[in-house]
Amino acid sequence: DTGVSQDPRHKITKRGQNVTFRCDPISEHNRLYWYRQTLGQGPEFLTYFQNEAQLEKSRLLSDRFSAERPKGSFSTLEIQRTEQGDSAMYLCASSFLWTGSPLGYTFGSGTRLTVV
Amino acid sequence: AQTVTQSQPEMSVQEAETVTLSCTYDTSENNYYLFWYKQPPSRQMILVIRQEAYKQQNATENRFSVNFQKAAKSFSLKISDSQLGDTAMYFCAFMKHGGLNNDMRFGAGTRLTVKP
Repeated sequence: DTGVSQDPRHKITKRGQNVTFRCDPISEHNRLYWYRQTLGQGPEFLTYFQNEAQLEKSRLLSDRFSAERPKGSFSTLEIQRTEQGDSAMYLCASSFLWTGSPLGYTFGSGTRLTVV
Repeated sequence: AQTVTQSQPEMSVQEAETVTLSCTYDTSENNYYLFWYKQPPSRQMILVIRQEAYKQQNATENRFSVNFQKAAKSFSLKISDSQLGDTAMYFCAFMKHGGLNNDMRFGAGTRLTVKP
């Protein structure tokens, strides 16, 4: 297992188009998180899954955003009718939740979205 | 809601010297975790150090140590013997213990430059 993988690394799309990103977490991890990071800012929480259940969604996640994690493995984040304000780095992270203290997240390299 | 504040947008330090990055947070929780993450230019975020709020002893990882002041809600990172490879964005993060909504929340980051 080589860590958290995200695909694609870069995506340029025209405004109004739909885009989909994929995240493959570390296989032993049961939690998967999506964050959005704009230039010079910290990551902003979007949503997370525990196994296949989506447990929390941020108010940042408008109706145009949808995330899935079928079978509790990889996850996809889809943005419909993209807007220029959606341009950002989309980060995926995974962790293993157990009864002890968390070990922190393992992040992927991110997908940089540019909406033109 | 928990908020994390990093009041130093940018800092610089000479190689081999010591630098301290500040972080404060606001929460009504008693049990939580604090983290410092490092994000090198164009590279993925990696965990530097973590602290459990119930532990009074400050965490240490080689050249990295924290000064955790629970009453003051302060969590600073000290980097000793700074190296050129320490140049990166540093993010302070908070995560409450347990429950469903315990995703990680990040500060805006501090850009650290280590000068030769």
